[in-house]
Amino acid sequence: AQSVTQPDIHITVSEGASLELRCNYSYGATPYLFWYVQSPGQGLQLLLKYFSGDTLVQGIKGFEAEFKRSQSSFNLRKPSVHWSDAAEYFCAVGSNSGNTPLVFGKGTRLSVIA
Amino acid sequence: DAGVTQSPTHLIKTRGQHVTLRCSPISGHKSVSWYQQVLGQGPQFIFQYYEKEERGRGNFPDRFSARQFPNYSSELNVNALLLGDSALYLCASGSTGTSGYTFGSGTRLTVV
Repeated sequence: AQSVTQPDIHITVSEGASLELRCNYSYGATPYLFWYVQSPGQGLQLLLKYFSGDTLVQGIKGFEAEFKRSQSSFNLRKPSVHWSDAAEYFCAVGSNSGNTPLVFGKGTRLSVIA
Repeated sequence: DAGVTQSPTHLIKTRGQHVTLRCSPISGHKSVSWYQQVLGQGPQFIFQYYEKEERGRGNFPDRFSARQFPNYSSELNVNALLLGDSALYLCASGSTGTSGYTFGSGTRLTVV
């Protein structure tokens, strides 16, 4: 069965500190992997995606993620967090056939303190 | 370019009523998907349409239905509303291949 696990429900970091949000997936086929961010009451904004090729992908807002097939992981990182990064972050997986539903994790809520 | 447009943004319904939610995809996108996001959870897949045909359905009761129109816009209908249907309903549009999905801002449905 397809699934995404985000082990951390809530993370608090200081502004300027580095960030890593964990994501593990279970998928029978070659996965397409996504990270989305959601501000309160808003829709989902795509941060980055991985389909193939270089396992380190760069996204918007200074985020990056690394695909590790051996660990079935796709962790999101940012070297220096800004207060505006406080939001809910969702990891999602889809198939490589395109136009297939995404399976989302339950999300990680990021709080940023001064 | 306009993004994915959903309407209404908020609505309140009474148990047992019917609701219709609407979505306009990004111009040129032929795929529309619907997701339900209950507070504190990740989005759950409800339906996917591509070229006006249903391509997938999630684990939702028959009270949920959808359709896609010739202009690729879509409606999600929910009959006999229950309190548990209260959620943020998200629409996503996509093109073919590996472009991924673009989500709208959602419709916040509250059932009282």
